[in-house]
Amino acid sequence: DVKVTQSSRYLVKRTGEKVFLECVQDMDHENMFWYRQDPGLGLRLIYFSYDVKMKEKGDIPEGYSVSREKKERFSLILESASTNQTSMYLCASSPGTRYNSPLHFGNGTRLTVT
Amino acid sequence: GESVGLHLPTLSVQEGDNSIINCAYSNSASDYFIWYKQESGKGPQFIIDIRSNMDKRQGQRVTVLLNKTVKHLSLQIAATQPGDSAVYFCAENKKTSYDKVIFGPGTSLSVIP
Repeated sequence: DVKVTQSSRYLVKRTGEKVFLECVQDMDHENMFWYRQDPGLGLRLIYFSYDVKMKEKGDIPEGYSVSREKKERFSLILESASTNQTSMYLCASSPGTRYNSPLHFGNGTRLTVT
Repeated sequence: GESVGLHLPTLSVQEGDNSIINCAYSNSASDYFIWYKQESGKGPQFIIDIRSNMDKRQGQRVTVLLNKTVKHLSLQIAATQPGDSAVYFCAENKKTSYDKVIFGPGTSLSVIP
């Protein structure tokens, strides 16, 4: 089974801090994604990457950046955390096949910014 | 029990009954559809998928039906069990656009013992 591991289940940070959320997958998947999940808004795509050192903006990239130095690791960075970034963050991966395949999600990081 | 569209976010069913969760998708160009299950405190987990060249696909206790004419997707769970209690999301995707996954708002299924 694919395993997508997010380094922290819960994080509490202060406004203005730089925050790193780490994600590692163990199935050699080409594609990796960062979503945030908020009540009433569902899952929204922040950034994704289809290859090492490649990144693409999703629907809500403002206030975030990403890093993919190795194939298995995809990091989400909050440059200066704000209270409206309090959310559940979900990392996902999928193989880079010709046809679409399901996303494999981690168990999420619940971030609170105070 | 049956949910109606995207505006009924909760569904309660008796243990042992069949559950039907409905989803109206938005993009007529979507050709790949997925159902995910999200249990409390966990990330979404893949249940079953279907491509647009099919109108029905069965898994273990689950069936997905696709009606492209009215852009409607449903998930049927047979003999619902307490472990099926979760939020269920439908998702749609267009071939070659793996980044453009559109998730539905989810339906919360509660199983009454």
